[in-house]
Amino acid sequence: NAGVTQTPKFRILKIGQSMTLQCTQDMNHNYMYWYRQDPGMGLKLIYYSVGAGITDKGEVPNGYNVSRSTTEDFPLRLELAAPSQTSVYFCASSYVQTPGELFFGEGSRLTVL
Amino acid sequence: TQLLEQSPQFLSIQEGENLTVYCNSSSVFSSLQWYRQEPGEGPVLLVTVVTGGEVKKLKRLTFQFGDARKDSSLHITAAQPGDTGLYLCAGEKSLPAARQLTFGSGTQLTVLP
Repeated sequence: NAGVTQTPKFRILKIGQSMTLQCTQDMNHNYMYWYRQDPGMGLKLIYYSVGAGITDKGEVPNGYNVSRSTTEDFPLRLELAAPSQTSVYFCASSYVQTPGELFFGEGSRLTVL
Repeated sequence: TQLLEQSPQFLSIQEGENLTVYCNSSSVFSSLQWYRQEPGEGPVLLVTVVTGGEVKKLKRLTFQFGDARKDSSLHITAAQPGDTGLYLCAGEKSLPAARQLTFGSGTQLTVLP
């Protein structure tokens, strides 16, 4: 099993451009999450999903959008990229039962210039 | 917002030394997890503690959940270079529809040979 796979691993954007970070998991997990990690700031939740067709905002959703059309995929869309969105983005998934383990992807490093 | 504070933020020690990392909050958590993250990778779960006063051991790592479930500690005995990494604590808060984890800012541990 591949676990949680994120693409791309690195990306440089210009201010105002848009892009989509892809995330797919092959563990049949219902729950999926997007976090951003900034130096010295830990992980902040952007959006999460409890299942296909259901998404909700996390702690820092502004400037981002998500969709969950299938159990496996949870893409994160950045519209009108801003320098404040320069960060490392992590997708994660988990089972329904709590407390459960989060399985993370390897991260996508995004730089907005 | 529930805040988890980790200390110290940075720790550099010699191989063979012992160390303790702390995770503190003014809020009560239903459970607390510890993750380790290595450069270029996503966090990986080390342990979950769910009962106040609980102590769990993972080889040379000892995890304790405070009696009031507001704080936790990670103690490493005879640290080795392979223990180097970013240690993150994460507290779980319960919502009607989903689990959410609040992450601490992390402790960057470097073990020198």
